[in-house]
Amino acid sequence: GIQVEQSPPDLILQEGANSTLRCNFSDSVNNLQWFHQNPWGQLINLFYIPSGTKQNGRLSATTVATERYSLLYISSSQTTDSGVYFCAVNAGNMLTFGGGTRLMVKP
Amino acid sequence: DAGVIQSPRHEVTEMGQEVTLRCKLISGHNSLFWYRQTMMRGLELLIYFNNNVPIDDSGMPEDRFSAKMPNASFSTLKIQPSEPRDSAVYFCASSFAGTGGGYTFGSGTRLTVV
Repeated sequence: GIQVEQSPPDLILQEGANSTLRCNFSDSVNNLQWFHQNPWGQLINLFYIPSGTKQNGRLSATTVATERYSLLYISSSQTTDSGVYFCAVNAGNMLTFGGGTRLMVKP
Repeated sequence: DAGVIQSPRHEVTEMGQEVTLRCKLISGHNSLFWYRQTMMRGLELLIYFNNNVPIDDSGMPEDRFSAKMPNASFSTLKIQPSEPRDSAVYFCASSFAGTGGGYTFGSGTRLTVV
């Protein structure tokens, strides 16, 4: 099946810093989503982005489907951004998750 | 839209007991997915349905696990008998297949088998 790799696995930031999270996938995909799992365990959909670039406030994402990667940018990070960020791809009708990037933003 | 609704939010049960997890899809969605999350294995797809029909159950760990979709808006995941290694967070997600649209996840059920 399709492989999804995320980097870095862990990230510690000082509040206000910017960061880039990366997702590589091994095959062509129909769909790519970024999720944030907050400290309460909820999986919040951030972006549905099979290709191109989208922005939502301090977050933006870019997927280059031909090169099989996606990037999630977090600017001016806040403590509430802490949690685990998952990339998930869909090559048919099944969403496969990467291992996640665990982010901690310190005040 | 209330989103994907799962119940219960937390479940603690004794080994050997039957456990039933419930999920209500978003209105208009026609695909339903059950995932399990553990520290060791991350998020794993257990089974998914399309238009109430199970399409792929290869992720279901054993015969002790079964899932049903009795109508277009509701699904159950049953574990009988439960074992301590089944302890995990179980997520349900729905989507509208055919458009390649995004998935929406419920809040999960945290299951503890003692």
